Amino acid sequence: AQSVSQHNHHVILSEAASLELGCNYSYGGTVNLFWYVQYPGQHLQLLLKYFSGDPLVKGIKGFEAEFIKSKFSFNLRKPSVQWSDTAEYFCAVNDWMDSSYKLIFGSGTRLLVRP
Amino acid sequence: DTGVSQDPRHKITKRGQNVTFRCDPISEHNRLYWYRQTLGQGPEFLTYFQNEAQLEKSRLLSDRFSAERPKGSFSTLEIQRTEQGDSAMYLCASSSGQEYSPLHFGNGTRLTVT
Repeated sequence: AQSVSQHNHHVILSEAASLELGCNYSYGGTVNLFWYVQYPGQHLQLLLKYFSGDPLVKGIKGFEAEFIKSKFSFNLRKPSVQWSDTAEYFCAVNDWMDSSYKLIFGSGTRLLVRP
Repeated sequence: DTGVSQDPRHKITKRGQNVTFRCDPISEHNRLYWYRQTLGQGPEFLTYFQNEAQLEKSRLLSDRFSAERPKGSFSTLEIQRTEQGDSAMYLCASSSGQEYSPLHFGNGTRLTVT
């Protein structure tokens, strides 16, 4: 069964620092990949998604992610974080073979940006 | 897009009681999902509906859990004989029938079993 690993559970950065959050999935078939963000007190929101094509995808608020098929990875990046990026970030995958299109989530990374 | 709404936001119950949660998906979304999230973990898939048909249930889902979506619109999730281990955030999500459409999540119902 598909699974997702997020390597960092907690990350603390200062404003303007660069961010990279790791995500690896377990299954080597054709997958769709997502990053969701959950700001304090809010619901999960889609940050960006990869379905096919250019492996470098850009999302909202200056975030981007790169799909590297050979490494089963989909790392999230942002060149310069802001205090407002403080949130929990979840990587998720669904499998083209899965007709339910359900998402399998990683355990999340809690990001704290210090002003 | 009025978003996915869930009710109640919080539920505190005593062990052994039954609880029921409601989810109203985005209108015209025919796919509806229930997830459970505990502290320090990502959302864990519980069950999935396409219209009124429940097409998939997690093997981890106890038979104390049942979900319905009788008219293909709102859904309910019932937990019978609650246990302390059921304490979690229960999330509902919906998506359109279009291939690869993303899931839209509600704010969740936080269940505390005492």
